Amino acid sequence: GAVVSQHPSRVICKSGTSVKIECRSLDFQATTMFWYRQFPKKSLMLMATSNEGSKATYEQGVEKDKFLINHASLTLSTLTVTSAHPEDSSFYICSARGPLGEKLFFGSGTQLSVL
Amino acid sequence: KQEVTQIPAALSVPEGENLVLNCSFTDSAIYNLQWFRQDPGKGLTSLLLIQSSQREQTSGRLNASLDKSSGRSTLYIAASQPGDSATYLCAVGGTGTASKLTFGTGTRLQVTL
Repeated sequence: GAVVSQHPSRVICKSGTSVKIECRSLDFQATTMFWYRQFPKKSLMLMATSNEGSKATYEQGVEKDKFLINHASLTLSTLTVTSAHPEDSSFYICSARGPLGEKLFFGSGTQLSVL
Repeated sequence: KQEVTQIPAALSVPEGENLVLNCSFTDSAIYNLQWFRQDPGKGLTSLLLIQSSQREQTSGRLNASLDKSSGRSTLYIAASQPGDSATYLCAVGGTGTASKLTFGTGTRLQVTL
């Protein structure tokens, strides 16, 4: 199946710093990628839809200035958590629609811990 | 607004047992339904995808059914193995936005020796 690579898998940062998470489709082109957030023992919540070459679409309640998304190429989308605070600590997962356009393939996730 | 519920939240079974995981959704106007597996601290692995026009899909020991009218899906796992231990998530794709999924809260499965 299609492979989505997410990096880093784990990051610890100080409060006030910014953190960038990368999501790459390795063997296919993804015009659309999705960013999710997951709290412990909770389900995934869609944060935003990342569109190649245009602005991301954010879900209600998600601060676009806080969570900057850039989708500059057909294989790479990045999520930058700006001025991170402890409440931003969470598991972030990206996904991309597969080459056949049906299934979603997910990255391995990034565990962000803000001290 | 679509809401997806999974029951039970947690399940522990001895190795070899057949088991059923349940998923229900409130809005039957769906595009598709997908079952995923998530290991602790990891991403999601797609198991089965059922289109809204389909009734079931099978892959190996897994069988997923869909009853759109009643808003239900089940994931059947035959002859469970310890390696099946994980959290299983169902996700519903809405019409017109096929890739925008609404996830259930998952069922944490533990298969014991």
